[in-house]
Amino acid sequence: NAGVTQTPKFQVLKTGQSMTLQCAQDMNHEYMSWYRQDPGMGLRLIHYSVGAGITDQGEVPNGYNVSRSTTEDFPLRLLSAAPSQTSVYFCASSYSPRQGASEQFFGPGTRLTVL
Amino acid sequence: AQSVTQPDIHITVSEGASLELRCNYSYGATPYLFWYVQSPGQGLQLLLKYFSGDTLVQGIKGFEAEFKRSQSSFNLRKPSVHWSDAAEYFCAAANGGSQGNLIFGKGTKLSVKP
Repeated sequence: NAGVTQTPKFQVLKTGQSMTLQCAQDMNHEYMSWYRQDPGMGLRLIHYSVGAGITDQGEVPNGYNVSRSTTEDFPLRLLSAAPSQTSVYFCASSYSPRQGASEQFFGPGTRLTVL
Repeated sequence: AQSVTQPDIHITVSEGASLELRCNYSYGATPYLFWYVQSPGQGLQLLLKYFSGDTLVQGIKGFEAEFKRSQSSFNLRKPSVHWSDAAEYFCAAANGGSQGNLIFGKGTKLSVKP
């Protein structure tokens, strides 16, 4: 099993550009989520999904879109990148929608810089 | 509002010394509790978790944590620190219900002196 994979590992964007961060898992997990990590802020939840076709907002959803057309994939879209979106982005997944009852597995992260 | 607090931003310990990292939570009911570790440039790895039952939880890499309901705390401990334990440590909590999203503390960076 590859676990949770994320691409790209690094990305530099100009303000106003759009892009998609890819996340895939091969563990047949129902729950998937996106976090951003900023220095001194810990990890903050952007969006999450409890199954294919179901998504919801987390703590900091503005400027980001998600979709979940398959169990395996959960892409994160930046519609119009802003310098405030410079961050490290982590995707995570777990077995159950009640993810508090099971371990979340994290991907290696995508480091995004917006100029 | 629900929250997780890690009071120490940065801790330095000598190799071989004991370690305790503090975590306090504020939730309406006892949440599920987790400790994760992040090595530089890496993702997060689960060290241990508490759902219910025995309040002393054993994890990987020789770590343990104790849940204290009266203090709303879930402190992480290790009796003898190794240089490879240098990393950032995150405490997290989640409700046990169907929307139990994780809330993370801001992390404690551990440095280990030789």
